[in-house]
Amino acid sequence: GAVVSQHPSWVICKSGTSVKIECRSLDFQATTMFWYRQFPKQSLMLMATSNEGSKATYEQGVEKDKFLINHASLTLSTLTVTSAHPEDSSFYICSAWPGGPPEAFFGQGTRLTVV
Amino acid sequence: QKEVEQDPGPLSVPEGAIVSLNCTYSNSAFQYFMWYRQYSRKGPELLMYTYSSGNKEDGRFTAQVDKSSKYISLFIRDSQPSDSATYLCAMSAGYQKVTFGTGTKLQVIP
Repeated sequence: GAVVSQHPSWVICKSGTSVKIECRSLDFQATTMFWYRQFPKQSLMLMATSNEGSKATYEQGVEKDKFLINHASLTLSTLTVTSAHPEDSSFYICSAWPGGPPEAFFGQGTRLTVV
Repeated sequence: QKEVEQDPGPLSVPEGAIVSLNCTYSNSAFQYFMWYRQYSRKGPELLMYTYSSGNKEDGRFTAQVDKSSKYISLFIRDSQPSDSATYLCAMSAGYQKVTFGTGTKLQVIP
């Protein structure tokens, strides 16, 4: 299947700082990528849809100024958690579509811990 | 009511057993149905993908979709300890936005 790479796989940061997470499609171009958040024992919750060359579309309840998304190229989308707080600690996962049927391929996920 | 309902388990079975995982949904617009496997602290891995109603088989895995009942299933034959993971059902109306179930944690005991 298609390969989506996410970096870093884990990060610890101090409260108030910003953290950037990268999502790359390695063997295909993705005009659209998705960012999810997953709490322990809970499902993946869609945060936003990242569109290459345009603004991201955020789901209801997701603060766009806090979770900045940039999709500057067809193979890279970034999520920046700004002014992180302990409640932002979670597992963040990106996904991308290689085209055709809606088979989403996921990155490895990023475990963010804010202390 | 959630759009997708999935029993979180955990489900424990002996090695070699047939495993049945299920999801129900309420959105009749869903046409694409997927099953993902997720190991702890890893991203989900696509296992099976089905369009509309019917069955699909891939090795030890069989996916079934019954749109009339809004019910989907994943069967795992001859289960192995390496199948121990969380299984997520996922659905889409065809616009790339995917809705996930909460996942069922499966443990296959040697």
